[in-house]
Amino acid sequence: NAGVTQTPKFQVLKTGQSMTLQCAQDMNHEYMSWYRQDPGMGLRLIHYSVGAGITDQGEVPNGYNVSRSTTEDFPLRLLSAAPSQTSVYFCASRQTIRNEQYFGPGTRLTVT
Amino acid sequence: KNQVEQSPQSLIILEGKNCTLQCNYTVSPFSNLRWYKQDTGRGPVSLTIMTFSENTKSNGRYTATLDADTKQSSLHITASQLSDSASYICVVRRGGNNNDMRFGAGTRLTVKP
Repeated sequence: NAGVTQTPKFQVLKTGQSMTLQCAQDMNHEYMSWYRQDPGMGLRLIHYSVGAGITDQGEVPNGYNVSRSTTEDFPLRLLSAAPSQTSVYFCASRQTIRNEQYFGPGTRLTVT
Repeated sequence: KNQVEQSPQSLIILEGKNCTLQCNYTVSPFSNLRWYKQDTGRGPVSLTIMTFSENTKSNGRYTATLDADTKQSSLHITASQLSDSASYICVVRRGGNNNDMRFGAGTRLTVKP
């Protein structure tokens, strides 16, 4: 199993540009989540999904959209990038809400 | 104020030495507490999980303790190795059927030869 994969690994955007961060998992996990990690702060939940077709907002959802059309994929869309969205983004998945969460390798995003 | 506070923020030790990392939390109700290891440029990887009734749990040279009464946990690393250099993150999950997990900011450990 590849586990949780994320692309791209690095990305530089200009303010106002849009892009999609890709996340996929091959473990047939129902739960998938997107987090951002900023220096000196714990990971913060952006959006999550409890199954295909179901998504919900986390702690810091503004400026981001998600969709979950398949069990495997959970893309994160930045609608109009802002410098405040410069961060490292992690996708994670788990089988149920009480199981261990597996993280992807992260995407480092810089918005200039 | 973050509901999960970790100390110290960073720590430098010599290879072969022991160290203890601290995690204090105010998350309530409590479900479980996990310690993660995050290598530079990688995603976090779970080391241990502790529930309310567990006081101590070991994973090789890593030993986690939990005092649910004082809402404190520690991660003790024995006979440190260079590969232990990483950030260690404490994560507390709130009780209930929800996705509410609170992450500490982590302790950055550097093991020097």
